[in-house]
Amino acid sequence: GAGVSQSPSNKVTEKGKDVELRCDPISGHTALYWYRQSLGQGLEFLIYFQGNSAPDKSGLPSDRFSAERTGGSVSTLTIQRTQQEDSAVYLCASSPRAGVSYEQYFGPGTRLTVT
Amino acid sequence: TQLLEQSPQFLSIQEGENLTVYCNSSSVFSSLQWYRQEPGEGPVLLVTVVTGGEVKKLKRLTFQFGDARKDSSLHITAAQPGDTGLYLCAYSSNTGKLIFGQGTTLQVKP
Repeated sequence: GAGVSQSPSNKVTEKGKDVELRCDPISGHTALYWYRQSLGQGLEFLIYFQGNSAPDKSGLPSDRFSAERTGGSVSTLTIQRTQQEDSAVYLCASSPRAGVSYEQYFGPGTRLTVT
Repeated sequence: TQLLEQSPQFLSIQEGENLTVYCNSSSVFSSLQWYRQEPGEGPVLLVTVVTGGEVKKLKRLTFQFGDARKDSSLHITAAQPGDTGLYLCAYSSNTGKLIFGQGTTLQVKP
């Protein structure tokens, strides 16, 4: 069965470069969430989409981070001018709709290393 | 300050032992969730507890929600190596945004 997929699985980039991380949610899931997991901070919410709209971007750590979702499906998280503190695992999750009653299904994550 | 405080952070035990993981807060929650995460994978939902004092069992795992709905615990009976992983408690907002505790890393040695 098709779960949430993320690409690439690993990304090594040099400080100052831009990176794009991709998330393919489960077909038919209208809600999509991005989280970041790092040793120091644990697992933190970044942004969520309901359809193509992002009602809550409160977790994005700086204006270097942005995300978009097109066609109510694939989402891309972009980090501009990467810094070493951006090194983390970026996780994507989807659910049938946004809300406390709907289980979120997580992808395997993209491990980002900024050198 | 973490909304959800988990303890212990690390636990290394022998196969067959029992253990309890705690998730505490000063806030009251309508529900709490428990997840398990294995290396290289995303978290997977184990259970949602909703009612104060509720106890839910999932095979050898027993989950309890405190009477005041401020805390929860996960008890594993006769731990197996397959139980190894990161256990996370989480609170879901109305939009589904998840707020996680710092997690408990469990290692069960054969």
